[in-house]
Amino acid sequence: AQKITQTQPGMFVQEKEAVTLDCTYDTSDQSYGLFWYKQPSSGEMIFLIYQGSYDEQNATEGRYSLNFQKARKSANLVISASQLGDSAMYFCAMREVTGNQFYFGTGTSLTVIP
Amino acid sequence: ETGVTQTPRHLVMGMTNKKSLKCEQHLGHNAMYWYKQSAKKPLELMFVYNFKEQTENNSVPSRFSPECPNSSHLFLHLHTLQPEDSALYLCASSQGPGLATGTQYFGPGTRLLVL
Repeated sequence: AQKITQTQPGMFVQEKEAVTLDCTYDTSDQSYGLFWYKQPSSGEMIFLIYQGSYDEQNATEGRYSLNFQKARKSANLVISASQLGDSAMYFCAMREVTGNQFYFGTGTSLTVIP
Repeated sequence: ETGVTQTPRHLVMGMTNKKSLKCEQHLGHNAMYWYKQSAKKPLELMFVYNFKEQTENNSVPSRFSPECPNSSHLFLHLHTLQPEDSALYLCASSQGPGLATGTQYFGPGTRLLVL
């Protein structure tokens, strides 16, 4: 089974609007971490935000927030006030406390329309 | 230099060539990773090093050979590659292997084309 599922291959959003990128995960561990990365066309993976499984509050970093719903095993990324520079691939990832594995989803391509 | 750097950024090689990819991290981290990113596939973790010791090898073919001389440098030696090995190779580092310290920071990658 897929550890990380991103069901939206491509998304479009109007500049200055908010957008939600979906991510669901699969783990039997009680302790795990969830991450979002941005990959522009240049190739570099840029770390955006982290959520620990025991964190009670949703993580926020500037215009990025993570909508963490533990019971549903979802960790959606919300980008507020979209900018043209937000156009990129976005990857959801998970790290379990056991082992050294870091699991990535297949990504969502976001295009911000002026 | 800051963050994680990778050289070369682009590489074209024949199937009989031998080449090496280099990664250097300037973050004081203790763990380093090699990933392969192919089109329309999730990132594939290849190798993990913690404190210069290899801790993961995810069934990577022997034509890929990693080397970690110290916590700041990581190499990927390539020989007799196949065209399907063409991909973006990403290096990453993290402070440690744990959850809170395990946030990985990536380099810009090397785009490899095998002819």
